Amino acid sequence: EVQLVESGGGLFQPGRSLRLSCTASGFTFGDYTMNWVRQAPGKGLEWVGFIRSKSFGETTEYAASVKGRFAISRDDSRSISYLQMNGLKSEDTAIYYCIKSKGKLSGSLEYWGQGALVTVSS
Amino acid sequence: DIQMTQSPSTLSASVGDRVTITCRASQSISNLLAWYQQKPGKAPKLLIYMASSLQSGVPSYFSGSGSGTKFTLTISSLQPDDFATYYCQQYHGSPFTFGPGTKVDI
Repeated sequence: EVQLVESGGGLFQPGRSLRLSCTASGFTFGDYTMNWVRQAPGKGLEWVGFIRSKSFGETTEYAASVKGRFAISRDDSRSISYLQMNGLKSEDTAIYYCIKSKGKLSGSLEYWGQGALVTVSS
Repeated sequence: DIQMTQSPSTLSASVGDRVTITCRASQSISNLLAWYQQKPGKAPKLLIYMASSLQSGVPSYFSGSGSGTKFTLTISSLQPDDFATYYCQQYHGSPFTFGPGTKVDI
């Protein structure tokens, strides 16, 4: 059974940094693109970015709203994806979901974690 | 960036109704479109990928169609468990983008 568990959320002050972790199990983690999507309270879904597998160079893509502040990485030996979030802003307040792509290169988002709530406030 | 729109934004329906939600892309995305269902307090769930392929485990009364810039999600006979918010998402090009959502309520 595929499982994705996010951790590292909480209350953070503007301008600070945090790193979310996504621990995966139930599939060959290293073979798949891993994605992050966020959802502000009461709002719709916003794609944050992804990291491709090592086979595809571990290349990353980001939404314009987070590019240059957020970075996605992966540790295939531990089946963990990370979302490093720097220079936090109040508008980064959201539930952050970690998702496994359906195919090895596909952009459809097959398995979702339960989400980690990040609140940015002074 | 590719912009996604959905209509309607809210849809009131009854059990047994046939429901259709439309999603439009600002440019052609071929068939690289997915549909998701989200219930309050839960993570979204993949329903349809590649515009018309049914995700494993999803009831067959859900269907998707379209290509290019216009897509539809159809629920042929609405069930009590289907009252939720539905999102489309294009993955033709980065940044991947979601539609604003369609809430299906009673």
